[in-house]
Amino acid sequence: EDQVTQSPEALRLQEGESSSLNCSYTVSGLRGLFWYRQDPGKGPEFLFTLYSAGEEKEKERLKATLTKKESFLHITAPKPEDSATYLCAVRPFGNEKLTFGTGTRLTIIP
Amino acid sequence: DTEVTQTPKHLVMGMTNKKSLKCEQHMGHRAMYWYKQKAKKPPELMFVYSYEKLSINESVPSRFSPECPNSSLLNLHLHALQPEDSALYLCASSHTPGQGAKNIQYFGAGTRLSVL
Repeated sequence: EDQVTQSPEALRLQEGESSSLNCSYTVSGLRGLFWYRQDPGKGPEFLFTLYSAGEEKEKERLKATLTKKESFLHITAPKPEDSATYLCAVRPFGNEKLTFGTGTRLTIIP
Repeated sequence: DTEVTQTPKHLVMGMTNKKSLKCEQHMGHRAMYWYKQKAKKPPELMFVYSYEKLSINESVPSRFSPECPNSSLLNLHLHALQPEDSALYLCASSHTPGQGAKNIQYFGAGTRLSVL
């Protein structure tokens, strides 16, 4: 069974304090790993998809990386507007189903 | 444009009511999804439609009835719900089923459902 574990569960950072969020996964055959951002009461907003180990993607203050067992979402010099829940999800080969982790609630303090 | 539109934004219903949730996309996507999300939990897949046909039903109770009238529209019909069905219901769409990892799911803002 596919499993996704995210850590930490919650993270509070001062504005400008860089850090990383972790997503560990087990999947029968990884077709893609996805990062989403979700604000309270809203739907998940797509950030990145990673396909193979060694791949990296960047968008503004966010950078996602992928190994064979985990993915990291690095946030550099965060701002209060980066506060949200960050969700990681995997999709195996031959399946349209996404398996989500429980997310990391990130709070950036001004 | 990656917009998925869900209506209504909020819905309150009694256990004997019948109501429907609506989802619309005009991106030419041929896969559409319903998810249920409880507070502080990840989205849970309920149904998948591929090319307007139901392809995945995650053992959802029959009081939830999905419908895909055309490639742009997805409905979720609700009947005789229980208070524990209160949740955020999310719709998503993706380009083409089976097109691998590039088949990114884009989500709507959701319908907040309260069952009294």
